[in-house]
Amino acid sequence: EAGVTQSPTHLIKTRGQQATLRCSPISGHTSVYWYQQALGLGLQFLLWYDEGEERNRGNFPPRFSGRQFPNYSSELNVNALELEDSALYLCAAMPGLSPNEQFFGPGTRLTVL
Amino acid sequence: AQKVTQAQTEISVVEKEDVTLDCVYETRDTTYYLFWYKQPPSGELVFLIRRNSFDEQNEISGRYSWNFQKSTSSFNFTITASQVVDSAVYFCALSEGWKAAGNKLTFGGGTRVLVKP
Repeated sequence: EAGVTQSPTHLIKTRGQQATLRCSPISGHTSVYWYQQALGLGLQFLLWYDEGEERNRGNFPPRFSGRQFPNYSSELNVNALELEDSALYLCAAMPGLSPNEQFFGPGTRLTVL
Repeated sequence: AQKVTQAQTEISVVEKEDVTLDCVYETRDTTYYLFWYKQPPSGELVFLIRRNSFDEQNEISGRYSWNFQKSTSSFNFTITASQVVDSAVYFCALSEGWKAAGNKLTFGGGTRVLVKP
């Protein structure tokens, strides 16, 4: 069975543009989490989606948004890109609400020039 | 607020040496979950172990072992007889469960392990 997939692998944008990152969870995994891994800042929780709804968000500005589709895949949108948005964005999935381990995708490396 | 501290930023060992990674956590919840993840150079986080706050038994899985001590809020990880393939960044993480914050993970800063042949 395929694991969590993310696309694109790499994304290069310029400041002020918008970026869209995509995540497809493992079949049957309804909860999707987004994390940002920026240099020097470690891994930080961004957003949590479950059953199509945004359930929780981390300490990030509103220009970080996303959605979850009926098939549980998810999109992360970053508007008005800033240089400090350059990071590895990791998507994780888990089945429902039980506190099991989260399965991570390979990430999308976003570079903002 | 929850917090995870990994005081060691980088550890370098020679192959076959043992290496212990420290993890100290803070939480106000009585129910919580602790995790260790491995991040090889490819970037993908690989799950290693989950522990809930009511289970203080230590665990061994092959060359990996974990020591959970609630009294000191620590969840340390030991790699025995290290191998070059163990070279990676290791993250300790804490979750307070879905009722508190939807299982979001709070990560420590990570410890980079370099195993030299």
